[in-house]
Amino acid sequence: SQTIHQWPATLVQPVGSPLSLECTVEGTSNPNLYWYRQAAGRGLQLLFYSVGIGQISSEVPQNLSASRPQDRQFILSSKKLLLSDSGFYLCAWVAGGGADTQYFGPGTRLTVL
Amino acid sequence: QQQVKQSPQSLIVQKGGISIINCAYENTAFDYFPWYQQFPGKGPALLIAIRPDVSEKKEGRFTISFNKSAKQFSLHIMDSQPGDSATYFCAARRAGNQFYFGTGTSLTVIP
Repeated sequence: SQTIHQWPATLVQPVGSPLSLECTVEGTSNPNLYWYRQAAGRGLQLLFYSVGIGQISSEVPQNLSASRPQDRQFILSSKKLLLSDSGFYLCAWVAGGGADTQYFGPGTRLTVL
Repeated sequence: QQQVKQSPQSLIVQKGGISIINCAYENTAFDYFPWYQQFPGKGPALLIAIRPDVSEKKEGRFTISFNKSAKQFSLHIMDSQPGDSATYFCAARRAGNQFYFGTGTSLTVIP
């Protein structure tokens, strides 16, 4: 069965510090991978998506970046966090080969102080 | 620009009542319309989904109604229960597996 992991679950970071959030998927090959951000009480904002290793599309220009070093690993990074980067970060995946369903991970709660 | 517009923002329903959440879209290239349920502190979970060649899909107490000509779709929760209290998101997908989400509806079912 397929499983998606995200870590850490919660993170408190000072403004200006770097960020690295990791997402891994098990039980599937060549998935489409996504990073979303959800501000408190708000909807889901698509940040990045990837259709394959090293292939990253950015939906919103900002101080975040994403990388996909392995087929089932997706990393969200920042060199210097801003207060506005606080939020709930969700990784999601869709199985390769034309599948429909998008599955979400448990999320990382990031607070920038 | 919001690709998928969702209403209402919040909804309070009595136990046993019907909860209705509406979404509208403009892009006719969308080909798959899922609904997600999210509890506080958790990731969204797929609830039910529909393709535009079907006007209605029912799974248990949850029904999606789809109006292709009006570019609208809605979620109906029959016999709403306190355990249904959560935030609900509609979404639409276009080719390339790009998903666009509504802004969410916070549903509260009171006993």
